Amino acid sequence: AQKITQTQPGMFVQEKEAVTLDCTYDTSDPSYGLFWYKQPSSGEMIFLIYQGSYDQQNATEGRYSLNFQKARKSANLVISASQLGDSAMYFCAMRERNSNSGYALNFGKGTSLLVTP
Amino acid sequence: EPEVTQTPSHQVTQMGQEVILRCVPISNHLYFYWYRQILGQKVEFLVSFYNNEISEKSEIFDDQFSVERPDGSNFTLKIRSTKLEDSAMYFCASSPDRANTQYFGPGTRLTVL
Repeated sequence: AQKITQTQPGMFVQEKEAVTLDCTYDTSDPSYGLFWYKQPSSGEMIFLIYQGSYDQQNATEGRYSLNFQKARKSANLVISASQLGDSAMYFCAMRERNSNSGYALNFGKGTSLLVTP
Repeated sequence: EPEVTQTPSHQVTQMGQEVILRCVPISNHLYFYWYRQILGQKVEFLVSFYNNEISEKSEIFDDQFSVERPDGSNFTLKIRSTKLEDSAMYFCASSPDRANTQYFGPGTRLTVL
């Protein structure tokens, strides 16, 4: 079963608009972390934002915020004021703390975001 | 800002050959990881390494793979006898502890012919 589901293979947004990239996750572990990474066409993986399962508030990092809805098991990434340089693949990932998976990151399939002028 | 570095950026090899992919993790980090991403697919975990030994490995990380920290800075992934299906982008990552964010290197694109 998929641990991380990203249902949007591709998204378009106009420059300066906000966009939400969806991520749902599946875990029975009460302690876990959720991450978003950006992968531009050059291929590197850039860490964007982190949300811990026990964090009371939604994480924010500059123009990135994470809409964390624990009961719904969703951790959507919101990018405000999109810029052309935001065009990239975006991956949601989860780290569970249990004896089987240790601390490996489990990634979703990604969402390709294209920002248009 | 410190970053993870990887060499080479591209490696082309013949099937059956051995390859070594190299990584220099962030200097004060203690946990090291290798992931791979087959073209167009999601990133998959291979192995984690701590205190000079493997702490966890996936089903992908079979006997053809090995990791080593030969000195205080380098962290290597060796594929003993490459197969066509080993063609992928290989990412090294490091974290200061196992509960913290993993920072990725730029990747090595491996092409097996």
